[in-house]
Amino acid sequence: DAKTTQPPSMDCAEGRAANLPCNHSTISGNEYVYWYRQIHSQGPQYIIHGLKNNETNEMASLIITEDRKSSTLILPHATLRDTAVYYCIVRVEATGDYKLSFGAGTTVTVRA
Amino acid sequence: DAGVIQSPRHEVTEMGQEVTLRCKPISGHDYLFWYRQTMMRGLELLIYFNNNVPIDDSGMPEDRFSAKMPNASFSTLKIQPSEPRDSAVYFCASQKARTDTQYFGPGTRLTVL
Repeated sequence: DAKTTQPPSMDCAEGRAANLPCNHSTISGNEYVYWYRQIHSQGPQYIIHGLKNNETNEMASLIITEDRKSSTLILPHATLRDTAVYYCIVRVEATGDYKLSFGAGTTVTVRA
Repeated sequence: DAGVIQSPRHEVTEMGQEVTLRCKPISGHDYLFWYRQTMMRGLELLIYFNNNVPIDDSGMPEDRFSAKMPNASFSTLKIQPSEPRDSAVYFCASQKARTDTQYFGPGTRLTVL
């Protein structure tokens, strides 16, 4: 699976949008971009994933560049409960090998 | 559904003792994963099962670690003998085949003195 690069930390004001970047310049054509987050002392939680089109769900939006070498997770209206470590993971979609390789992630702190 | 259930939530033991961590996956899920998280190494996959069969155990650190899945609703991760460097949070996760979401349990915090 391709490796990803994320900033180690970022702050965000409550109520504002949080934009979390991820670089995956070696991504292959059949690899998807997945985002998970881990709130302190809890297990990781799935947020969203996508291949090349932008995706949106009730939690967040995922914007993938046209060359697919980078992406941005957008939390539209950050709340204090969004304070967590966010992991960007690149892997082939669910076809039998479901392993997730977690990097260091981005520690997001939402401030009141 | 209650989600992935792990027990115990906290375990404190002395070096040399046997430790058994338990996991009940979400009903109907085909895959079960064991992860370990430490400050130094982050979150790393130890082993995973498909339909109760171990598929990849390349992440298991050494022979002191063993994992079993006797049926679709139960798995154990055993450390014997335990060492202080095994202190970590151990997560169990499960996933249904041909879906994209892996569901994690609350974790077991293990402290080996």
